[in-house]
Amino acid sequence: GAGVSQTPSNKVTEKGKYVELRCDPISGHTALYWYRQSLGQGPEFLIYFQGTGAADDSGLPNDRFFAVRPEGSVSTLKIQRTERGDSAVYLCASSLRDSSTDTQYFGPGTRLTVL
Amino acid sequence: KQEVTQIPAALSVPEGENLVLNCSFTDSAIYNLQWFRQDPGKGLTSLLLIQSSQREQTSGRLNASLDKSSGRSTLYIAASQPGDSATYLCAVDNNDMRFGAGTRLTVKP
Repeated sequence: GAGVSQTPSNKVTEKGKYVELRCDPISGHTALYWYRQSLGQGPEFLIYFQGTGAADDSGLPNDRFFAVRPEGSVSTLKIQRTERGDSAVYLCASSLRDSSTDTQYFGPGTRLTVL
Repeated sequence: KQEVTQIPAALSVPEGENLVLNCSFTDSAIYNLQWFRQDPGKGLTSLLLIQSSQREQTSGRLNASLDKSSGRSTLYIAASQPGDSATYLCAVDNNDMRFGAGTRLTVKP
Protein backbone atom coordinates (compact mmCIF):
# COMPACT_ATOMS: atom_id res chain seq x y z
CA GLY A 1 0.00 0.00 0.00
CA ALA A 2 0.96 3.61 -0.41
CA GLY A 3 1.06 4.49 3.26
CA VAL A 4 -0.28 3.76 6.72
CA SER A 5 -4.05 3.53 6.82
CA GLN A 6 -6.37 3.69 9.79
CA THR A 7 -10.02 2.82 10.15
CA PRO A 8 -12.44 4.19 10.99
CA SER A 9 -11.50 7.81 10.41
CA ASN A 10 -14.08 8.88 12.98
CA LYS A 11 -15.73 6.95 15.78
CA VAL A 12 -18.44 8.24 18.11
CA THR A 13 -19.41 6.04 21.01
CA GLU A 14 -21.13 6.23 24.34
CA LYS A 15 -19.45 6.13 27.70
CA GLY A 16 -18.95 2.54 28.84
CA LYS A 17 -18.86 1.01 25.37
CA TYR A 18 -16.06 -1.05 23.80
CA VAL A 19 -14.22 0.20 20.69
CA GLU A 20 -11.64 -1.20 18.30
CA LEU A 21 -9.37 0.95 16.14
CA ARG A 22 -7.49 -0.59 13.24
CA CYS A 23 -4.10 0.22 11.73
CA ASP A 24 -2.66 -1.11 8.47
CA PRO A 25 1.07 -0.33 8.37
CA ILE A 26 3.26 0.03 5.32
CA SER A 27 3.99 -3.40 3.87
CA GLY A 28 7.29 -4.78 5.13
CA HIS A 29 7.54 -2.48 8.15
CA THR A 30 8.29 -4.54 11.23
CA ALA A 31 7.79 -1.78 13.79
CA LEU A 32 4.36 -0.34 14.60
CA TYR A 33 3.46 2.41 17.07
CA TRP A 34 0.26 3.75 18.59
CA TYR A 35 -0.05 7.32 19.88
CA ARG A 36 -2.86 9.41 21.32
CA GLN A 37 -3.13 13.11 20.54
CA SER A 38 -5.36 15.46 22.49
CA LEU A 39 -6.35 18.87 21.16
CA GLY A 40 -3.45 21.30 21.18
CA GLN A 41 -0.94 18.70 22.32
CA GLY A 42 1.71 16.60 20.67
CA PRO A 43 1.16 12.85 20.27
CA GLU A 44 1.61 10.78 23.40
CA PHE A 45 3.23 7.36 23.05
CA LEU A 46 1.04 4.37 23.92
CA ILE A 47 2.62 1.14 22.67
CA TYR A 48 5.28 -0.15 20.28
CA PHE A 49 5.29 -3.51 18.44
CA GLN A 50 8.31 -5.18 16.90
CA GLY A 51 6.80 -7.93 14.77
CA THR A 52 3.99 -9.63 16.66
CA GLY A 53 5.14 -8.75 20.15
CA ALA A 54 4.64 -5.60 22.19
CA ALA A 55 8.20 -4.40 22.77
CA ASP A 56 7.10 -1.48 24.95
CA ASP A 57 3.60 -0.93 26.35
CA SER A 58 4.62 1.54 29.04
CA GLY A 59 2.47 4.30 27.55
CA LEU A 60 -0.87 2.53 27.90
CA PRO A 61 -2.73 4.62 30.50
CA ASN A 62 -4.52 1.74 32.26
CA ASP A 63 -5.78 -1.81 31.80
CA ARG A 64 -8.78 -0.68 29.76
CA PHE A 65 -6.39 -0.21 26.85
CA PHE A 66 -5.00 -3.19 24.96
CA ALA A 67 -3.43 -3.67 21.53
CA VAL A 68 -2.64 -6.70 19.39
CA ARG A 69 -0.73 -7.44 16.22
CA PRO A 70 -1.25 -11.19 15.77
CA GLU A 71 0.40 -11.63 12.38
CA GLY A 72 2.97 -8.88 12.57
CA SER A 73 1.11 -6.62 10.17
CA VAL A 74 -2.32 -5.16 11.00
CA SER A 75 -2.78 -3.95 14.57
CA THR A 76 -5.92 -3.30 16.59
CA LEU A 77 -6.12 -0.95 19.56
CA LYS A 78 -8.92 -1.98 21.89
CA ILE A 79 -10.49 0.24 24.54
CA GLN A 80 -12.89 -1.22 27.08
CA ARG A 81 -15.46 0.70 29.14
CA THR A 82 -14.69 3.94 27.33
CA GLU A 83 -14.62 7.18 29.29
CA ARG A 84 -15.10 10.77 28.10
CA GLY A 85 -11.42 11.39 28.79
CA ASP A 86 -10.52 8.82 26.14
CA SER A 87 -11.71 11.25 23.45
CA ALA A 88 -8.71 12.06 21.26
CA VAL A 89 -7.14 11.33 17.90
CA TYR A 90 -5.43 7.95 17.90
CA LEU A 91 -2.46 7.85 15.55
CA CYS A 92 -0.64 4.82 14.24
CA ALA A 93 2.83 4.84 12.71
CA SER A 94 5.15 2.25 11.22
CA SER A 95 8.85 2.10 10.46
CA LEU A 96 11.09 -0.34 8.69
CA ARG A 97 12.86 -1.60 11.79
CA ASP A 98 12.79 0.68 14.80
CA SER A 99 12.61 4.38 15.48
CA SER A 100 16.22 4.69 16.64
CA THR A 101 17.37 4.69 13.02
CA ASP A 102 14.29 4.77 10.83
CA THR A 103 11.70 7.41 10.07
CA GLN A 104 8.21 6.73 11.35
CA TYR A 105 5.39 7.09 8.82
CA PHE A 106 2.09 8.15 10.30
CA GLY A 107 -1.46 7.35 9.34
CA PRO A 108 -4.21 10.01 9.28
CA GLY A 109 -5.55 8.94 12.64
CA THR A 110 -8.89 7.90 14.09
CA ARG A 111 -10.83 10.63 15.88
CA LEU A 112 -12.57 9.01 18.85
CA THR A 113 -15.38 10.87 20.58
CA VAL A 114 -16.87 9.41 23.74
CA LEU A 115 -20.21 11.00 24.65
CA LYS B 1 11.09 11.47 32.32
CA GLN B 2 11.91 13.23 29.06
CA GLU B 3 10.22 16.62 28.67
CA VAL B 4 10.07 18.30 25.26
CA THR B 5 9.23 22.00 24.96
CA GLN B 6 8.62 24.00 21.81
CA ILE B 7 8.78 27.75 21.57
CA PRO B 8 6.92 29.71 20.34
CA ALA B 9 3.52 28.01 20.55
CA ALA B 10 2.33 30.03 17.57
CA LEU B 11 4.02 32.19 14.97
CA SER B 12 2.67 34.36 12.16
CA VAL B 13 4.99 35.77 9.49
CA PRO B 14 4.64 37.40 6.08
CA GLU B 15 5.55 35.36 3.04
CA GLY B 16 9.26 35.34 2.17
CA GLU B 17 10.60 35.63 5.70
CA ASN B 18 13.19 33.29 7.12
CA LEU B 19 12.19 31.84 10.48
CA VAL B 20 13.42 29.63 13.31
CA LEU B 21 11.43 27.22 15.44
CA ASN B 22 12.89 26.04 18.72
CA CYS B 23 12.77 22.74 20.56
CA SER B 24 14.36 21.85 23.90
CA PHE B 25 14.55 18.55 25.75
CA THR B 26 15.63 17.58 29.25
CA ASP B 27 17.38 14.21 28.74
CA SER B 28 20.29 14.34 26.29
CA ALA B 29 20.61 10.53 26.02
CA ILE B 30 18.65 10.34 22.79
CA TYR B 31 18.94 8.13 19.71
CA ASN B 32 17.63 10.80 17.38
CA LEU B 33 15.45 13.87 17.01
CA GLN B 34 12.82 14.34 14.34
CA TRP B 35 10.88 17.30 13.07
CA PHE B 36 7.37 16.63 11.78
CA ARG B 37 4.73 18.68 10.04
CA GLN B 38 1.04 18.25 10.83
CA ASP B 39 -1.74 19.77 8.76
CA PRO B 40 -5.19 20.24 10.35
CA GLY B 41 -7.04 16.94 10.68
CA LYS B 42 -4.15 15.01 9.21
CA GLY B 43 -1.40 12.71 10.41
CA LEU B 44 2.24 13.67 10.76
CA THR B 45 4.76 13.95 7.95
CA SER B 46 8.43 13.50 8.83
CA LEU B 47 10.55 16.41 7.61
CA LEU B 48 14.01 15.72 8.98
CA LEU B 49 15.60 13.08 11.20
CA ILE B 50 18.88 13.88 12.96
CA GLN B 51 20.78 10.97 14.48
CA SER B 52 22.40 11.59 17.86
CA SER B 53 25.85 11.60 16.25
CA GLN B 54 24.87 14.29 13.73
CA ARG B 55 24.66 18.04 14.18
CA GLU B 56 22.34 19.00 11.35
CA GLN B 57 20.26 17.86 8.42
CA THR B 58 19.03 19.78 5.40
CA SER B 59 16.19 19.24 2.99
CA GLY B 60 15.37 21.94 0.48
CA ARG B 61 14.45 25.11 2.35
CA LEU B 62 14.58 23.34 5.71
CA ASN B 63 17.58 22.99 7.97
CA ALA B 64 17.49 21.35 11.38
CA SER B 65 20.29 21.51 13.91
CA LEU B 66 20.91 19.43 17.03
CA ASP B 67 22.96 20.33 20.09
CA LYS B 68 22.60 17.29 22.31
CA SER B 69 24.71 18.61 25.17
CA SER B 70 22.49 21.65 25.65
CA GLY B 71 19.27 19.77 24.82
CA ARG B 72 18.30 22.00 21.93
CA SER B 73 17.26 21.78 18.31
CA THR B 74 16.19 24.41 15.83
CA LEU B 75 14.28 24.14 12.58
CA TYR B 76 15.16 26.89 10.13
CA ILE B 77 12.75 27.58 7.26
CA ALA B 78 14.08 29.79 4.50
CA ALA B 79 11.93 32.00 2.25
CA SER B 80 8.66 30.92 3.87
CA GLN B 81 5.60 30.30 1.70
CA PRO B 82 1.87 30.16 2.52
CA GLY B 83 2.01 26.40 1.89
CA ASP B 84 4.36 26.10 4.87
CA SER B 85 1.46 26.96 7.19
CA ALA B 86 1.00 24.00 9.52
CA THR B 87 1.91 22.81 13.01
CA TYR B 88 5.53 21.76 13.39
CA LEU B 89 6.32 19.11 16.00
CA CYS B 90 9.65 18.05 17.35
CA ALA B 91 10.10 14.55 18.81
CA VAL B 92 13.02 12.93 20.60
CA ASP B 93 13.63 9.21 20.77
CA ASN B 94 15.22 7.59 23.80
CA ASN B 95 13.46 4.22 23.92
CA ASP B 96 10.15 5.83 23.08
CA MET B 97 9.19 8.95 21.17
CA ARG B 98 8.36 12.08 23.14
CA PHE B 99 6.76 14.95 21.30
CA GLY B 100 6.56 18.62 22.02
CA ALA B 101 3.20 20.39 21.83
CA GLY B 102 4.16 21.97 18.52
CA THR B 103 4.49 25.42 16.98
CA ARG B 104 1.52 26.55 14.88
CA LEU B 105 2.95 28.48 11.92
CA THR B 106 0.94 30.80 9.70
CA VAL B 107 2.59 32.32 6.63
CA LYS B 108 0.54 35.19 5.23
CA PRO B 109 0.54 35.87 1.47
